[in-house]
Amino acid sequence: EVQLLESGGGLVQPGGSLRLSCAASGFTFSNYAMGWVRQAPGKGLDWLSGITGSGGTTHYADSVRGRFTISRDNSKNTLYLQMNSLRAGDTAVYYCAKCPYGGDRYWYFDLWGRGTLVTVSS
Amino acid sequence: EIVLTQSPGTLSLSPGERATLSCRASQSVYSSYLAWYQQKPGQAPRLLIYGASNRATGTPDRFSGSGSGTDFTLTISRLEPEDFAVYYCQQYAGSLHFGGGTKVEIK
Repeated sequence: EVQLLESGGGLVQPGGSLRLSCAASGFTFSNYAMGWVRQAPGKGLDWLSGITGSGGTTHYADSVRGRFTISRDNSKNTLYLQMNSLRAGDTAVYYCAKCPYGGDRYWYFDLWGRGTLVTVSS
Repeated sequence: EIVLTQSPGTLSLSPGERATLSCRASQSVYSSYLAWYQQKPGQAPRLLIYGASNRATGTPDRFSGSGSGTDFTLTISRLEPEDFAVYYCQQYAGSLHFGGGTKVEIK
């Protein structure tokens, strides 16, 4: 079955760090670009970051550039999001999502995980 | 940065009725790189339309996308009970951005 499964969410204090993982299965992971999208409670979708299939190119939204780092391990079929200097405004459900192709830019997402909740609070 | 404005914010309709959702961009979207997603409560988004008018695998043909430049539309020809949800547009011509969403609710 083709699926994405996020993990690593939880409660973290302001200023803290967290690393999210997204395990992919059912498709050739390295062939596809991947991304992270979040959704604050009761709000809309907010794209955060994307990475090409090879992992050689990454892009970030201005809101997280310099604080978040996307990476992938194609040998483990896993996508990561390292989140540092977390703020209350980062509280959201974080989704990983698959792009239909592996190249740079022009990313939309044809497969989404169920999401993992990150709560930033003291 | 391209800003996407979706309207209306909420659409109250009955099953069987036609739904017309709008997504307006602050500047022209290159090559109609616009997608539509459906999200139901407690679920992840699901891709419906890409390239402004191409149905994704599994998207029923009652869903259609149209438009170019700055004005795009998602039309649901006859609402089924499972279509009541929130719909988001997304442009992917450069930096990715989503619209604020339109909720289609049962009247």
